[in-house]
Amino acid sequence: GDSVTQMEGPVTLSEEAFLTINCTYTATGYPSLFWYVQYPGEGLQLLLKATKADDKGSNKGFEATYRKETTSFHLEKGSVQVSDSAVYFCALSSNAGGTSYGKLTFGQGTILTVHP
Amino acid sequence: DGGITQSPKYLFRKEGQNVTLSCEQNLNHDAMYWYRQDPGQGLRLIYYSQIVNDFQKGDIAEGYSVSREKKESFPLTVTSAQKNPTDFYLCASSIEGAKNIQYFGAGTRLSVL
Repeated sequence: GDSVTQMEGPVTLSEEAFLTINCTYTATGYPSLFWYVQYPGEGLQLLLKATKADDKGSNKGFEATYRKETTSFHLEKGSVQVSDSAVYFCALSSNAGGTSYGKLTFGQGTILTVHP
Repeated sequence: DGGITQSPKYLFRKEGQNVTLSCEQNLNHDAMYWYRQDPGQGLRLIYYSQIVNDFQKGDIAEGYSVSREKKESFPLTVTSAQKNPTDFYLCASSIEGAKNIQYFGAGTRLSVL
């Protein structure tokens, strides 16, 4: 079945540091890939997405490129801020087997803490 | 403001007691979902509903039940069969044309006394 694996956390960085959170996936066919973010005390919000190979999703300075050859969708940001402290979830949506109800398969989440 | 409202934010139940978590949305979305967020395991789908009066089991439906009598509402009942001491539940919704882009509520944390 489908699965998503994220790098182990937590990740602790100083403000303005470079961020990478690794995400790899296993899926049948051609899934869509997502990064969701969960700020403290809130639900998840869609951060960015990519629907086909070599697509780059970007938002709020974050970027991720859909790499089919390495089955990866790593999240990057060039200069993090304290306000980026949150839990980040990688997810995929696959239409394999005729599923069309929007099933999302999530990774385990990576806690990011940014210090001033 | 449009959005998804989950209530209560914190809920306590006694062993053997069933409780119901509320989820209301005013986004006019057709599809709604319930997830359980387990530490270190991400989110797992409990139930989903694509239209009123229809719902389907997700990956971890045992110990739970739902109803979808109105488009705006998708309550989740946690039965006494669910043994975890503390769980965090998230409700989500999506539009017909983009079901994999889901909008989430802020969650309900359920604890067993």
